[in-house]
Amino acid sequence: EIVLTQSPGTLSLSPGERATLSCRASQSVSSSYLAWYQQKPGQAPRLLIYGASSRATGIPDRFSGSGSGTDFTLTISRLEPEDFAVYYCQQYGSQGMYTFGQGTKLEIK
Amino acid sequence: EVQLVESGGGLVQPGGSLRLSCAASGFTFSSYWMHWVRQAPGKGLVWVSRINSDGSSTSYADSVKGRFTISRDNAKNTLYLQMNSLRAEDTAVYYCARGGDCGGDCYPPGVWGQGTTVTVSS
Repeated sequence: EIVLTQSPGTLSLSPGERATLSCRASQSVSSSYLAWYQQKPGQAPRLLIYGASSRATGIPDRFSGSGSGTDFTLTISRLEPEDFAVYYCQQYGSQGMYTFGQGTKLEIK
Repeated sequence: EVQLVESGGGLVQPGGSLRLSCAASGFTFSSYWMHWVRQAPGKGLVWVSRINSDGSSTSYADSVKGRFTISRDNAKNTLYLQMNSLRAEDTAVYYCARGGDCGGDCYPPGVWGQGTTVTVSS
């Protein structure tokens, strides 16, 4: 089973700043089947990025994903007030299994 | 509008059973793989199970294997999760989510319902 470790656990930034979130896998993620989600309190998660770098429908271009193999990054180029939330990475498809990282909380500084 | 609506959650005693349902609308349900994902109070997301478009292939997280069964009725546009031998640690909000129509594990859960709450307690 692939284990995903996200860092940092909490990231404190101000609106307008750049956010960089990391997701490291315990083994290589095949075909870059790596996704990123945003979740706000009381809401269902929202898919942001799939295939490591493709934005899902309707996602603003300030969100970008990169990486391959075992190291992946979600970058938010310029934080908007609505971007403060919890972010999860997920690998999908490895032997039919899907696993999430433990999450990074992005909070207002 | 694509929509997923879960139901069937509630309070159940340890060792009991519950069946969750997820009604889908606004898309061709029979073309898409489907998932269940759960989230314990104050905790992160945990993938539970997925099923392919015709129901012939399923997979489960180790924590629920042998106790939970995912199924679907494409004629009714409905996804199910039969949960048996429930434990306190199964307490969570359960989300159903739509996967891909690519014929494989090639797209993550991209559309989510609002969830249904399961509480396992005596």
